[in-house]
Amino acid sequence: DAGVIQSPRHEVTEMGQEVTLRCKPISGHNSLFWYRQTMMRGLELLIYFNNNVPIDDSGMPEDRFSAKMPNASFSTLKIQPSEPRDSAVYFCASRPWTSTEAFFGQGTRLTVV
Amino acid sequence: ELKVEQNPLFLSMQEGKNYTIYCNYSTTSDRLYWYRQDPGKSLESLFVLLSNGAVKQEGRLMASLDTKARLSTLHITAAVHDLSATYFCAVVHSNAGGTSYGKLTFGQGTILTVHP
Repeated sequence: DAGVIQSPRHEVTEMGQEVTLRCKPISGHNSLFWYRQTMMRGLELLIYFNNNVPIDDSGMPEDRFSAKMPNASFSTLKIQPSEPRDSAVYFCASRPWTSTEAFFGQGTRLTVV
Repeated sequence: ELKVEQNPLFLSMQEGKNYTIYCNYSTTSDRLYWYRQDPGKSLESLFVLLSNGAVKQEGRLMASLDTKARLSTLHITAAVHDLSATYFCAVVHSNAGGTSYGKLTFGQGTILTVHP
């Protein structure tokens, strides 16, 4: 298995633009997580899906952020409009039903200028 | 709210020395993970600790869990340069019935630098 696949790996965008981050979880994993990593706040859980249904989105910072999981093999995290303070590395992780261990993707480094 | 605190946050070691990283958490959990992150890279799972008294060892790293004290330790023996990285502990949330549903809260991370 190729592991959790995220795209793009790097994204540079101007303030006010829409940004969409993508994630393909490991096949057969039924839970998917979006995390954000910054120097100031460390690793923060943004949202968590189980069987494609959002279970906990309490970490989503504000209405500018939205996440979807239309099927078991794809999820998106959208920021509209983007702001410089959204600059961070965004990780997607997935786990199987039989385990609580999460496997992380390579991350998307987002820079908003 | 579950809080996870690591210390120290920065650790500079000489090769060959021993040291311990501590991870404290604030509410009941029976599962704890240690991850390693190299600069600019993703998180790599090192250890899964599933019960009180659990001890896992891999090479120069040994992790333990004391659920009563809500404490995990990551012990480094005879450090080598290749161990330089950031180490995170992560704790699984349990609901009121004690069931884990997989949500992880991470500590701040410990940046380890091993010098010759």
